[in-house]
Amino acid sequence: DGGITQSPKYLFRKEGQNVTLSCEQNLNHDAMYWYRQDPGQGLRLIYYSQIVNDFQKGDIAEGYSVSREKKESFPLTVTSAQKNPTAFYLCASSKSHRGDQPQHFGDGTRLSIL
Amino acid sequence: AQSVTQLDSQVPVFEEAPVELRCNYSSSVSVYLFWYVQYPNQGLQLLLKYLSGSTLVKGINGFEAEFNKSQTSFHLRKPSVHISDTAEYFCAVSSTNAGKSTFGDGTTLTVKP
Repeated sequence: DGGITQSPKYLFRKEGQNVTLSCEQNLNHDAMYWYRQDPGQGLRLIYYSQIVNDFQKGDIAEGYSVSREKKESFPLTVTSAQKNPTAFYLCASSKSHRGDQPQHFGDGTRLSIL
Repeated sequence: AQSVTQLDSQVPVFEEAPVELRCNYSSSVSVYLFWYVQYPNQGLQLLLKYLSGSTLVKGINGFEAEFNKSQTSFHLRKPSVHISDTAEYFCAVSSTNAGKSTFGDGTTLTVKP
């Protein structure tokens, strides 16, 4: 079955450490997205990519970085500059970046600080 | 700019009762509207979407929503809920000239026996 795979499911970060969250899709979608979800809040867009080798900052990009070297993969790095990284991170994809395209989501990675 | 307001953060309801989850949006251009459901520790799944045409949209699991342009609303309804409908529900809006979606803060639906 096609879908989005996020790994790991749980991740712990030490102070001053960078960590990378994996996101892979086999839906042949052009667009991919990273969201942060905090309790009682909606999804906030971190970065998105409309096509391979291209990505744009979302609403809360500070302290995060991404790459899109392959169509299937869109990893997110949470850097030490992100002072409050504890959250649930969701990766999503859509056929294109058009507004009429619904997004398909992975099952998330929960990041905690040690 | 676009925004979404989900008017209720929590909605408790008894099993087999009807439910309505309310969503209002704001946008300076025409919009597309979506409802997603999230079960604990999972990602979001699409329930239904309004793109154009009929204002009453039917989705999965017996849910439906009505687009009301004059009231800028897209409320989600189900005539009879089940325990398994307990989840968080998100309303989302995107504009016809840009692909970014804006999500509401979510409504937690709790169905009690």
